[in-house]
Amino acid sequence: TQLLEQSPQFLSIQEGENLTVYCNSSSVFSSLQWYRQEPGEGPVLLVTVVTGGEVKKLKRLTFQFGDARKDSSLHITAAQPGDTGLYLCAGIETYKYIFGTGTRLKVLA
Amino acid sequence: NAGVMQNPRHLVRRRGQEARLRCSPMKGHSHVYWYRQLPEEGLKFMVYLQKENIIDESGMPKERFSAEFPKEGPSILRIQQVVRGDSAAYFCASSPGSDNSPLHFGNGTRLTVT
Repeated sequence: TQLLEQSPQFLSIQEGENLTVYCNSSSVFSSLQWYRQEPGEGPVLLVTVVTGGEVKKLKRLTFQFGDARKDSSLHITAAQPGDTGLYLCAGIETYKYIFGTGTRLKVLA
Repeated sequence: NAGVMQNPRHLVRRRGQEARLRCSPMKGHSHVYWYRQLPEEGLKFMVYLQKENIIDESGMPKERFSAEFPKEGPSILRIQQVVRGDSAAYFCASSPGSDNSPLHFGNGTRLTVT
């Protein structure tokens, strides 16, 4: 069974701080996606990373795919209250999207 | 609204009743996934369907749970004889099926079994 463990599980920080969320697996994935989910809504895609070692930036968010394509990280610079939400990584292998355990982020004003 | 539509948003059932959850995928999408989510947890895969076919139901309990995606109409997730442990949010997602395509999620159905 493929498992994706995310850490930390919960994170509460002040506005303006930086943070990193990790997504780790013992399995290799062909690609990996990050989603953000807000209360009462479905997850929304943030980014897809495909190549081992790939780094993608989306404004204040930086995503990295590990060289071995087993892990990924999400770094947020100068967090804002609008970044609050549940962050989910999803490993993709053929048609299967395996979601991680989630990191719930709360950014305090 | 061309997004994924799920209904009902909230569903309350007594133990032993049946629950029917509906999902209309995005226009042009022929691939549908169902996931289950408990509070403060990630999404657990249940079933993957293409039009008229179940491709992978490995995450769905063999008893009481069934899913379909007919040629016409929405995808249906059916839970018979519900028990309290079935209480959860059930999310449907659709995709066009191409490599690495994003999943487009509905806003879920929150099932409460009393």
